[in-house]
Amino acid sequence: TQLLEQSPQFLSIQEGENLTVYCNSSSVFSSLQWYRQEPGEGPVLLVTVVTGGEVKKLKRLTFQFGDARKDSSLHITAAQPGDTGLYLCAGKNNQGGKLIFGQGTELSVKP
Amino acid sequence: GAVVSQHPSWVICKSGTSVKIECRSLDFQATTMFWYRQFPKQSLMLMATSNEGSKATYEQGVEKDKFLINHASLTLSTLTVTSAHPEDSSFYICSAPSRLAGYNEQFFGPGTRLTVL
Repeated sequence: TQLLEQSPQFLSIQEGENLTVYCNSSSVFSSLQWYRQEPGEGPVLLVTVVTGGEVKKLKRLTFQFGDARKDSSLHITAAQPGDTGLYLCAGKNNQGGKLIFGQGTELSVKP
Repeated sequence: GAVVSQHPSWVICKSGTSVKIECRSLDFQATTMFWYRQFPKQSLMLMATSNEGSKATYEQGVEKDKFLINHASLTLSTLTVTSAHPEDSSFYICSAPSRLAGYNEQFFGPGTRLTVL
């Protein structure tokens, strides 16, 4: 069974601070996606990483995919209150294209 | 592109009644759709994979007779919660994969909040 361990599960920081969220697994994923979800809404896709060692940037967000495609990280620089939300990592498994979700990181950025 | 809609966005029903939730891919075709359940401040839990023209595949522990899934066309999947009880109250979300960037990415609907009284 493929599992994704996401940490931390809760994070409360001040505006302007940096933070990193991690997703780790003992399994290899063909791709890994990061989503952001606000209360009462569906998850919104932020990025997909496919190649081992890949780094993608989305404004103040930097996403990395581990060389072995077993882990990923999301780094936010100079967090803003608008970054508040639930961040989810999800790995695509090799059977049927199902997504395996991490536990989620509830981020709160205080002004 | 790759927009997924859900209807209704919220529903309140009495215990014992059935509720149907629709999931539509608006600008692409989806032979497969996924149904998730989510509790407050928790991650998504996959319930079943909806397959166009064939039976849905349910995850372990999910009651097939309780959560009926029909994928009647390439753009529509429905989830019917039969004989709903208060413990079925939850946020239900569907998703569909689309090859926008050359590989399958899943796009999610806005979710349906079900409250069973």
